[in-house]
Amino acid sequence: QKEVEQNSGPLSVPEGAIASLNCTYSDRGSQSFFWYRQYSGKSPELIMSIYSNGDKEDGRFTAQLNKASQYVSLLIRDSQPSDSATYLCAVTGGKSSGDKLTFGTGTRLAVRP
Amino acid sequence: DAMVIQNPRYQVTQFGKPVTLSCSQTLNHNVMYWYQQKSSQAPKLLFHYYDKDFNNEADTPDNFQSRRPNTSFCFLDIRSPGLGDAAMYLCATSTGDSRMAQYFGPGTRLLVL
Repeated sequence: QKEVEQNSGPLSVPEGAIASLNCTYSDRGSQSFFWYRQYSGKSPELIMSIYSNGDKEDGRFTAQLNKASQYVSLLIRDSQPSDSATYLCAVTGGKSSGDKLTFGTGTRLAVRP
Repeated sequence: DAMVIQNPRYQVTQFGKPVTLSCSQTLNHNVMYWYQQKSSQAPKLLFHYYDKDFNNEADTPDNFQSRRPNTSFCFLDIRSPGLGDAAMYLCATSTGDSRMAQYFGPGTRLLVL
């Protein structure tokens, strides 16, 4: 079982729709959760971080964390073509990783104009 | 603006010819990381420095070495690049607190001929 799992996609949504990206993790001791956006040929850019169960909103982005289900998600409201990228889920703080980031393989999002 | 800088952005080398990639940061972060990322894959941690303490990942080939002469700079040396080493090399920094995100530089794209 992979430590951090994401559906590779592509996830295709029309412009203006809500994009929902999901991530599960195996280390129950994980404490910090991050979403990075990576455009093709570019480096990862931090979008959101979340540490406690529940929702955290920042502009059009909402991160959701459920530690009991070992599940973290990212919602993108009013999706724009410029949101088309790969979204990487990453976790730290588990027994196996300590302060190192464990990445999922990413979900490719395509927003159709 | 505080940032992570990588040079060069693109590097072409010949099979077996040593190459050095550089990373500098103005964030004054304690930890500097080197990742290798191949197409459609998650970033793979090669090693990291916590201050001057070097931490090598178990599966990082001996062909890869690193130096951190001071807080601001870190170098990745590839002693004898093979075709399989062609990838994007990402430098990242963090404070070392697992609750804090890692911040990535723009990356260096390495091509091995």
